[in-house]
Amino acid sequence: SAVISQKPSRDICQRGTSLTIQCQVDSQVTMMFWYRQQPGQSLTLIATANQGSEATYESGFVIDKFPISRPNLTFSTLTVSNMSPEDSSIYLCSVEDGSTEAFFGQGTRLTVV
Amino acid sequence: GNSVTQMEGPVTLSEEAFLTINCTYTATGYPSLFWYVQYPGEGLQLLLKATKADDKGSNKGFEATYRKETTSFHLEKGSVQVSDSAVYFCALSDGGFQKLVFGTGTRLLVSP
Repeated sequence: SAVISQKPSRDICQRGTSLTIQCQVDSQVTMMFWYRQQPGQSLTLIATANQGSEATYESGFVIDKFPISRPNLTFSTLTVSNMSPEDSSIYLCSVEDGSTEAFFGQGTRLTVV
Repeated sequence: GNSVTQMEGPVTLSEEAFLTINCTYTATGYPSLFWYVQYPGEGLQLLLKATKADDKGSNKGFEATYRKETTSFHLEKGSVQVSDSAVYFCALSDGGFQKLVFGTGTRLLVSP
């Protein structure tokens, strides 16, 4: 199994600022994913973080708003840029271990005021 | 596109009661189906899964059967415990564990 450490666990930010969320895995993984869960809604995949190449974004999400880094096989960051209250959500990091299961971090609860 | 619909919560039960959380899906092809659970203060954990029609996933006393004819994957447990209090998410994927599509989650509250 994979253990994921996600930081920060929560934050309150001013609109117009940016927040970078870190995801650290205790083993090397090929696939890392970032999800968003808006209040009262389901988890939505933002992007797949690829090691050594640019992230692959889902429809409705763009790199300028959610830049992602993946410098190695155990670490990734998601930045929420130029935040507005609509960005208030829980952001989750997920990894796939190859075949058996997807693992999730505890999430980052972001409130934009 | 693919989607998952699950019953709204919270679901409030007394200990030892029978649990059903409904989940239906819309998908092209033949997706894999999952139930994830999120205990308070923890990340999502895979509870059970089924990868083809009529498969039954089971774990920790929970069961769910992949029903292609009704496009459903309802979660059941015969006797819930207080420790089962959590948020349960139904999900599907048409490519292994990549690009999971989730329902909105159902909060279960079990009282002694």
